[in-house]
Amino acid sequence: DSGVTQTPKHLITATGQRVTLRCSPRSGDLSVYWYQQSLDQGLQFLIQYYNGEERAKGNILERFSAQQFPDLHSELNLSSLELGDSALYFCASSAGDLSTDTQYFGPGTRLTVL
Amino acid sequence: AQKVTQAQTEISVVEKEDVTLDCVYETRDTTYYLFWYKQPPSGELVFLIRRNSFDEQNEISGRYSWNFQKSTSSFNFTITASQVVDSAVYFCALSEAEQAGTALIFGKGTTLSVSS
Repeated sequence: DSGVTQTPKHLITATGQRVTLRCSPRSGDLSVYWYQQSLDQGLQFLIQYYNGEERAKGNILERFSAQQFPDLHSELNLSSLELGDSALYFCASSAGDLSTDTQYFGPGTRLTVL
Repeated sequence: AQKVTQAQTEISVVEKEDVTLDCVYETRDTTYYLFWYKQPPSGELVFLIRRNSFDEQNEISGRYSWNFQKSTSSFNFTITASQVVDSAVYFCALSEAEQAGTALIFGKGTTLSVSS
């Protein structure tokens, strides 16, 4: 158990809908990262927050947004969902904002868009 | 541009065989960090090791060992006397010190199947 929690574990929704994925980092960690894992794209970095502020952006679609709250939990919002958004979404956390920091991953949220 | 290549898509071995998973990376940074993660059938990503670019010493942890060679830009992972519980997808990843944020760049992964 990495100490990173993600809810829900599974999510099934329809095209055009909006969903929110939630992540709680390990106790004491200030950085939260979101990754998408799909069969065709593999594991791709979406976005990083550090202590409430956006730190880095990867291949995140404009329909997707995220935030990190004062208690350090994070939410990833996915809107106008398409079939291609079906994937496993991981949250990871690390102590700080350095490349030396190890990222620990949560169990993931499996999103299915029908 | 930074890139991680895991050329072996799938490997199948029989229990007690040794197996090496290859990882080749590309980066222009002089300071960078390499990682291996394991994704068992249950789906979570489990951290195995982190290595920085200044430390080329090989590392051994039980049946696992890692060989880092800057000259060939490789960070290979060997499992000795493999077991069925080693069956998983293994990912190699790169993090660069010079870029904003600390995103991990993952390879496509190698699926290891160990049969009894």
